[in-house]
Amino acid sequence: DQQVKQNSPSLSVQEGRISILNCDYTNSMFDYFLWYKKYPAEGPTFLISISSIKDKNEDGRFTVFLNKSAKHLSLHIVPSQPGDSAVYFCAASTGGFKTIFGAGTRLFVKA
Amino acid sequence: GAVVSQHPSWVICKSGTSVKIECRSLDFQATTMFWYRQFPKQSLMLMATSNEGSKATYEQGVEKDKFLINHASLTLSTLTVTSAHPEDSSFYICSARDRLGYNSPLHFGNGTRLTVT
Repeated sequence: DQQVKQNSPSLSVQEGRISILNCDYTNSMFDYFLWYKKYPAEGPTFLISISSIKDKNEDGRFTVFLNKSAKHLSLHIVPSQPGDSAVYFCAASTGGFKTIFGAGTRLFVKA
Repeated sequence: GAVVSQHPSWVICKSGTSVKIECRSLDFQATTMFWYRQFPKQSLMLMATSNEGSKATYEQGVEKDKFLINHASLTLSTLTVTSAHPEDSSFYICSARDRLGYNSPLHFGNGTRLTVT
């Protein structure tokens, strides 16, 4: 049972444009959501998070949107840069306990 | 801040041998650490929660006798893959939170690539 789903295995975007990565979840008890970036043979790096009491959180080029009624969140990167090319994981947790990850979306930013 | 160090970064071992992976929190204390496993092109799967001074909590389907976890101090957790077999070949990653509190992100080590021949 996949509680956190990233249905797009890959996404290709032109440099300077917006990248939108999507994530759906099924467990309504999740109250904290995160996005991580991962390069091959490295551990994930934390990017941005959002609490379930909010619907938007922004940090520089990265913005996370949360739609609780749709059980959907998204990560917007604008403007996209070639260095953003990596695998992005959506994750969720309940009560700060264990964190469940989606399958990841590989982002390609073309120069 | 919030640096998690994992060692070794890669290891090759023969079938039937045991391998120990270390996870250290360098600039903070971690009462709880989490061990994940990632197969190629797949998600990070939580294996177990490592608790300082007590037994680890394993996820369903993870053999506790095969994946021994020890969390002897507030800055060190170890995962030992016992009697390793080729199907144990994977990328193992540890993580920890750098502060107590209801919601805070996990910080990850750089992972260990285990290849069992």
